Amino acid sequence: GENVEQHPSTLSVQEGDSAVIKCTYSDSASNYFPWYKQELGKRPQLIIDIRSNVGEKKDQRIAVTLNKTAKHFSLHITETQPEDSAVYFCAAGGVTSGTYKYIFGTGTRLKVLA
Amino acid sequence: DAGITQSPRYKITETGRQVTLMCHQTWSHSYMFWYRQDLGHGLRLIYYSAAADITDKGEVPDGYVVSRSKTENFPLTLESATRSQTSVYFCASRRQGLEQFFGPGTRLTVL
Repeated sequence: GENVEQHPSTLSVQEGDSAVIKCTYSDSASNYFPWYKQELGKRPQLIIDIRSNVGEKKDQRIAVTLNKTAKHFSLHITETQPEDSAVYFCAAGGVTSGTYKYIFGTGTRLKVLA
Repeated sequence: DAGITQSPRYKITETGRQVTLMCHQTWSHSYMFWYRQDLGHGLRLIYYSAAADITDKGEVPDGYVVSRSKTENFPLTLESATRSQTSVYFCASRRQGLEQFFGPGTRLTVL
């Protein structure tokens, strides 16, 4: 069945450095790619998303890039801060023949070291 | 955001007991979802509902039952709880476009 692979599973960076998390999806009908941030004990919260008609989207220190041909998309966080420490999930979503699908990656635990 | 709520937030039960987790949303979103979150597995879809009286299985539906008699409510029932169902359960609804918005979660422990 369809799946979303996410790498790495853990990532440690020094404060001020950049972090990159990558996801690969299998369903070619996917056209919506959100990223969620989940802090310890909290709910996942949407931080940025991109649709298949766009190659890149930025929001302050975070950006997402999409390569639809290769079926992969990435989250980039620049100038990392301790409050960026959390688990990040990617997802691939879309509607195929009227059926709504939304599949999550397994998550990346990001640690920003002060 | 109080638009989607879950109750209880914490629950401890014993194997074999029936447990119902409640989810309520105030936006009148048509789609609602139940996920479980376990270490190493991320978020796995249990059941979802496209509208009142329409439900469908997700990736891990065994041992769970759902109903949706009203648009705003989507309860999840564990008919006979097992230790493997110890998890954090998140309810979500589909907001504008394709994005999902999550409730605060229910931490369930089955002894």
